[in-house]
Formats: sequence, C-alpha cells, structure tokens
Amino acid sequence: DAGVTQSPTHLIKTRGQQVTLRCSPKSGHDTVSWYQQALGQGPQFIFQYYEEEERQRGNFPDRFSGHQFPNYSSELNVNALLLGDSALYLCASSLAKGADTQYFGPGTRLTVL
Amino acid sequence: GNSVTQMEGPVTLSEEAFLTINCTYTATGYPSLFWYVQYPGEGLQLLLKATKADDKGSNKGFEATYRKETTSFHLEKGSVQVSDSAVYFCALSPYAGNNRKLIWGLGTSLAVNP
Repeated sequence: DAGVTQSPTHLIKTRGQQVTLRCSPKSGHDTVSWYQQALGQGPQFIFQYYEEEERQRGNFPDRFSGHQFPNYSSELNVNALLLGDSALYLCASSLAKGADTQYFGPGTRLTVL
Repeated sequence: GNSVTQMEGPVTLSEEAFLTINCTYTATGYPSLFWYVQYPGEGLQLLLKATKADDKGSNKGFEATYRKETTSFHLEKGSVQVSDSAVYFCALSPYAGNNRKLIWGLGTSLAVNP
C-alpha cells in the first residue's frame, strides 16, 4: 500500500517566480492538508482540501493557493516567491470523517534564491 | 485558543537511558493528541496518539498518557537506542474525530550516544 507521495523532492527557484508542488494521498484517503516547515520549527498549517474545495485555511497570504483533483491528489501553488518561502513543504492525507490522524509524505524542500 | 508547548531541546542521552519529553497543551474543545517523529532529512511519521482522557498511546517502546487534569501528554521510553535520535513533535487536533488542522509544538531534538 503506497503511502503519501510528493514531488519533486527538491526545488530551487528565484525570487518572483512561481512554483507548483504535488501530492498523492494514501490509498483510501480523501482529504489533503498542506503544511510549511521552516528550518528548526514546527509545521505551520497552510490549508486543507476535501471534495475539491478548500475546507480550512491557515494564516498564509493569497500567494499560496491549491487545488484538489477528482482522484484526491493535490497541488500547492506559490506565486511571487519570497526568500522567506524557503522551507520544507509537507503534504498530509487523512479521512474526512470519523478520524483525525494525518499521514505525512516525505516533503518537498523549496529553496528560494 | 489552542496551543502546544514542548520542552526545549536538544536532549542528549546515553544509550539505554530513560527518556521523557514534556508536552502540555491548551484547547477549547476535546482534542486528540499526537506524537510525531522526524528523522534527519525526512518527513513526519506518526509515533502514537490518544483520543480521550486517560488513554495511553504506545508504539515502538514509546508511551504517552492523555492527562486532562494536567493538560499534558508527556512522551516516555524506558531505554533509548541510537536509532531513536530524531526530532519529536507533539501535536493536537482541536476536536477529536473532527479532521481539521493540527496544532504543533516547536519540536524537541533528541540525540542518543552509544
């Protein structure tokens, strides 16, 4: 049973560029959450998607947007990249109902130069 | 509001020593509580969880008990190994069974020396 997968593993961009990160949830899961983890910090919640809709959003600017596809996979898009966007981006999958355990992928390391 | 406070690291222990990492929380509802572990260069792995007061979560020799009276969920292991070296995160889900965002502590780095 494949767990949560993310691509790419690493990414280097320059300020002002745009980036798209991808996530495939664990088999049977219908909900995807995205987190940003700066070096030496705990994860910060960006948003959560269920039934192709953004269900909850953390304190991140509109430069951060997402999408969920009918097969439950998800994308995170970040526009107008800033140096401060450099971080590990983690995707977590879960079930919408009856359970609140989230399972994480290995993350995408984004470096903005 | 909801928040999680963990003891600051780094924690350095010798192999076979006893481990405690303290975690306390504040929550407006009835949360689920979690411990996740992050090995160097990797994502987060669920270590254990508890969904109601007095529940004990356990996995791989690690244990934590959900204490509502002290709002705590301390992580313990009787005999640590070098392979336990990692960063440990305490987290809560604000309403047990209601899948929303997780609230995280800052993490505690553990180094185990042979």
